[in-house]
Amino acid sequence: QLQLQESGPGLVKPSETLSLTCTVSGGSISSSSYYWGWIRQPPGKGLEWIGSIYYSGSTYYNPSLKSRVTISVDTSKNQFSLKLSSVTAADTAVYYCARQGIIAARPEFFDYWGQGTLVTVSS
Amino acid sequence: SYELTQPPSVSVSPGQTARITCSGDALPKQYAYWYQQKPGQAPVLVIYKDSERPSGIPERFSGSSSGTTVTLTISGVQAEDEADYYCQSADSSGTVFGGGTKLTVL
Repeated sequence: QLQLQESGPGLVKPSETLSLTCTVSGGSISSSSYYWGWIRQPPGKGLEWIGSIYYSGSTYYNPSLKSRVTISVDTSKNQFSLKLSSVTAADTAVYYCARQGIIAARPEFFDYWGQGTLVTVSS
Repeated sequence: SYELTQPPSVSVSPGQTARITCSGDALPKQYAYWYQQKPGQAPVLVIYKDSERPSGIPERFSGSSSGTTVTLTISGVQAEDEADYYCQSADSSGTVFGGGTKLTVL
């Protein structure tokens, strides 16, 4: 059974960089059939896609966050990571990692999700 | 980037049929997906490729598409179906979620 687990600091200071890692177990991150994505959810609000990465390093980013986001992959550790720079209180959210299925060479749907981790931006 | 629009809330009585819509100009050209999210839990995929149901999802969940609107239908709603539901789609520039619909079972 595929499992994803987010890890990283739960508290980040304003203007600093948020860093999270997603560890994949029960399957290979190097599968040609999937992208791996980050999604966030501010408290009491809806889901927002942040970006997705293929095992080769190919990425898609949300245009509204692109200038602050870097997603990377480490196939040797079966992990992928998120960095979000210059954070503000508006970046406070539960951050999820998820596997994203590919259709016609494009990342489409999320079929496995991590449990999510709350990151609070506060001094 | 484009938008997906959902009603904020839908209410139904147990045993009735709930219909949740999602509208977007690009939907005629792209697949839609639906997720169920209960409080404190990660979302769960309940419909993919407009109308396909993943294994383990009850048959009472179904999806349909017509023009710029896709619809999630829950037949014979049960109390356990009370949750937030999100539609999602994707194009060459990335992935978009609808704003979510809170389904209340009266």
